[in-house]
Amino acid sequence: GAVVSQHPSRVICKSGTSVKIECRSLDFQATTMFWYRQFPKKSLMLMATSNEGSKATYEQGVEKDKFLINHASLTLSTLTVTSAHPEDSSFYICSARGRRGDNEKLFFGSGTQLSVL
Amino acid sequence: DAKTTQPTSMDCAEGRAANLPCNHSTISGNEYVYWYRQIHSQGPQYIIHGLKNNETNEMASLIITEDRKSSTLILPHATLRDTAVYYCIVRVGWNTDKLIFGTGTRLQVFP
Repeated sequence: GAVVSQHPSRVICKSGTSVKIECRSLDFQATTMFWYRQFPKKSLMLMATSNEGSKATYEQGVEKDKFLINHASLTLSTLTVTSAHPEDSSFYICSARGRRGDNEKLFFGSGTQLSVL
Repeated sequence: DAKTTQPTSMDCAEGRAANLPCNHSTISGNEYVYWYRQIHSQGPQYIIHGLKNNETNEMASLIITEDRKSSTLILPHATLRDTAVYYCIVRVGWNTDKLIFGTGTRLQVFP
């Protein structure tokens, strides 16, 4: 099946710094990728939709200036958490569409655990 | 957006079938039912999806009621590695890719 690679798997940073998370589709082109965050023992919450070559679409309540998304190529989307604070500590997960069609599946990366000190 | 309702948790003995129910009474005619699972601290894994007919693959079977208001995911022979949170999701909109996750069912397979 299609593979989505996410890097880094874990990052610890100081409060006030920015952290970049990469999401790559390894064996397919992904015009659309999605970013989720997940708090402990909670479900995944969709943050934004990343579109190749255009601006990302953010879900209600998600600060676009806080969570910068760049989808510069068909295989790479990045999420930058700017001026991170302890409340931004969370598990961030990306996903990408496998192929076109109504039966398309979304494949997920392995996630990034962000801890802000 | 169609919402789903799942039991919070379930137990299953190893080797037995695990039947995970899901209610989606407001589903629209062109919305698919997807099942994903998430093992601790990993990204969700696709299991199966369907529209109207029952579906089967190497991982599981999906039984959708005739009125499409509910479905059941069946793991025919559960193993300890099937312990995970299972999410039943109705795809939002017929031409979008967004998947909105509910709270899921935490399945514990015991020896």
